[in-house]
Amino acid sequence: GAVVSQHPSRVICKSGTSVKIECRSLDFQATTMFWYRQFPKQSLMLMATSNEGSKATYEQGVEKDKFLINHASLTLSTLTVTSAHPEDSSFYICSAPTGETYEQYFGPGTRLTVT
Amino acid sequence: GQNIDQPTEMTATEGAIVQINCTYQTSGFNGLFWYQQHAGEAPTFLSYNVLDGLEEKGRFSSFLSRSKGYSYLLLKELQMKDSASYLCASMDSNYQLIWGAGTKLIIKP
Repeated sequence: GAVVSQHPSRVICKSGTSVKIECRSLDFQATTMFWYRQFPKQSLMLMATSNEGSKATYEQGVEKDKFLINHASLTLSTLTVTSAHPEDSSFYICSAPTGETYEQYFGPGTRLTVT
Repeated sequence: GQNIDQPTEMTATEGAIVQINCTYQTSGFNGLFWYQQHAGEAPTFLSYNVLDGLEEKGRFSSFLSRSKGYSYLLLKELQMKDSASYLCASMDSNYQLIWGAGTKLIIKP
């Protein structure tokens, strides 16, 4: 199957700082990538849809100025959490469909802890 | 509105069979997915159904009834490693996945 990587896998940052998370499709091109957030014992919450070469589409309630998404190439999307606060601590996961099927391939996730 | 319902938690015995149900209501329908997620890890794909009926894949099978807005995931010959959360997701008319809250499956020896 297709492979999606994420970096870093874990990050601890201080309140007020910014954190960048990278999502890469390693063996396919992804014109679309999805960013999810998952709090403990809860399901996946779609934050935004990242589109290569155009602006991301954010879900209702997600601040686009706080969660900056850049999809600069067909294999890389980045999510930057700006001015992070403890309530932003969560598990962030990206996914991408290959375009051949509707299946989404998930990255391994990034555990963000804001102190 | 769009809604996915599945049980919060289920318990089963090693070697047994368990069925996890999912009902969905979405704006349009382009298929029903099941994913497995172990604690602290990302989800992994299990199955995709878009036509009515049963799809069998080894120990796991998935069933869909579009008229009833209903699906189930059937796990046979349960193993301890099957302890995980199982996520049901419906793809709507915009090809966006609408996720259920997940069913935590606990396997006991």
